[in-house]
Amino acid sequence: EQQVQQSPASLVLQEAENAELQCSFSIFTNQVQWFYQRPGGRLVSLLYNPSGTKQSGRLTSTTVIKERRSSLHISSSQITDSGTYLCAMERGSNNRIFFGDGTQLVVKP
Amino acid sequence: EAAVTQSPRNKVAVTGGKVTLSCNQTNNHNNMYWYRQDTGHGLRLIHYSYGAGSTEKGDIPDGYKASRPSQENFSLILELATPSQTSVYFCASGELDYAEQFFGPGTRLTVL
Repeated sequence: EQQVQQSPASLVLQEAENAELQCSFSIFTNQVQWFYQRPGGRLVSLLYNPSGTKQSGRLTSTTVIKERRSSLHISSSQITDSGTYLCAMERGSNNRIFFGDGTQLVVKP
Repeated sequence: EAAVTQSPRNKVAVTGGKVTLSCNQTNNHNNMYWYRQDTGHGLRLIHYSYGAGSTEKGDIPDGYKASRPSQENFSLILELATPSQTSVYFCASGELDYAEQFFGPGTRLTVL
């Protein structure tokens, strides 16, 4: 069973448009982390957002634990934002995290 | 910021050979993790560790062993490599009481 569902699977934007990425969980969690990955590249932690809203630069994450979902908003997208965005949630007491399959974002000039 | 390094970055191995992937972290994190990433499966946990001397099975441990000889180092061992183990392997570390994880650059392994 897929624990973490992400949507959309892919997204194409024009530069400067905003993006909204969604993540939903099959079970309750209290730890959510968003990552960014270039093709074949390192996973970079973007935001660690247990609940509520957290912002870092042009990125804003909103996690609603009771509704088992989290979103990542990217404002004023840039070409260099292109890549895969992964959502991960913690399940259990041993700090293990489970990943979604990611949203592939392409930002065009 | 957590610093996690992996070696080698690329590896070609033959079927039946032994492969050791190494991971080092310099942030004194207690927890360390090994994942593999494959198209269609996302990131899956192979083994993890709570500290030196400890190893735990993740979701797909078959065909893999792990070793945590020190706080800084965590190795993934393929005793008898198979082509199905061709993948990109990521190591991560995290503090004991928090789920936030920091990842290494990955190792691309090809088993011929």
